[in-house]
Amino acid sequence: AQSVTQLGSHVSVSEGALVLLRCNYSSSVPPYLFWYVQYPNQGLQLLLKYTTGATLVKGINGFEAEFKKSETSFHLTKPSAHMSDAAEYFCAVSGPLQGAQKLVFGQGTRLTINP
Amino acid sequence: DTGVSQNPRHKITKRGQNVTFRCDPISEHNRLYWYRQTLGQGPEFLTYFQNEAQLEKSRLLSDRFSAERPKGSFSTLEIQRTEQGDSAMYLCASSRRTSGASSYNEQFFGPGTRLTVL
Repeated sequence: AQSVTQLGSHVSVSEGALVLLRCNYSSSVPPYLFWYVQYPNQGLQLLLKYTTGATLVKGINGFEAEFKKSETSFHLTKPSAHMSDAAEYFCAVSGPLQGAQKLVFGQGTRLTINP
Repeated sequence: DTGVSQNPRHKITKRGQNVTFRCDPISEHNRLYWYRQTLGQGPEFLTYFQNEAQLEKSRLLSDRFSAERPKGSFSTLEIQRTEQGDSAMYLCASSRRTSGASSYNEQFFGPGTRLTVL
């Protein structure tokens, strides 16, 4: 079975500060890992994904994440927060490669940006 | 390509009534997924289709829930005899096979249907 734990249901940072959202996963097979963002009353938008290859992946809106197998982590970062980054962020894992490849989500982290 | 669309966006119903939601995936996406998201939680997988075949259903999907994708294009999710616990956002996503790895790893989500059961 696969699972995702997001540390911190709420994170608050100042505009221009570093954003760090934590995600740890559990998977018995090589994982595919994702970060999605959700704005109020909207669906989920893919920020970035890790499948194979380079462990540092870059996504949209200046976000990036690093896959660390030894730590079973896939933390999301952005060097400088913008007011428009305020939203709910979800880390997800999928697999196995054969089968549904359904997404298993964490409980989410609400990011607040202070002016 | 207009993205995944879902209708209605909002549905308010009384307990015991039946409701039906529709999802139109991105054209040529042969996989379609349904997820349910309750307040303050991440989405949870309900079921998925490959073309018109329903290949997996979660234990979350009770006998009151049924999903169809009759022609391998749009899908419907029906909830019979709704209960207050069914109140949630119902999300649809679609994907297509990429590369030679038999991988459908990128799912595109619709805006969701928010159900409120009174």
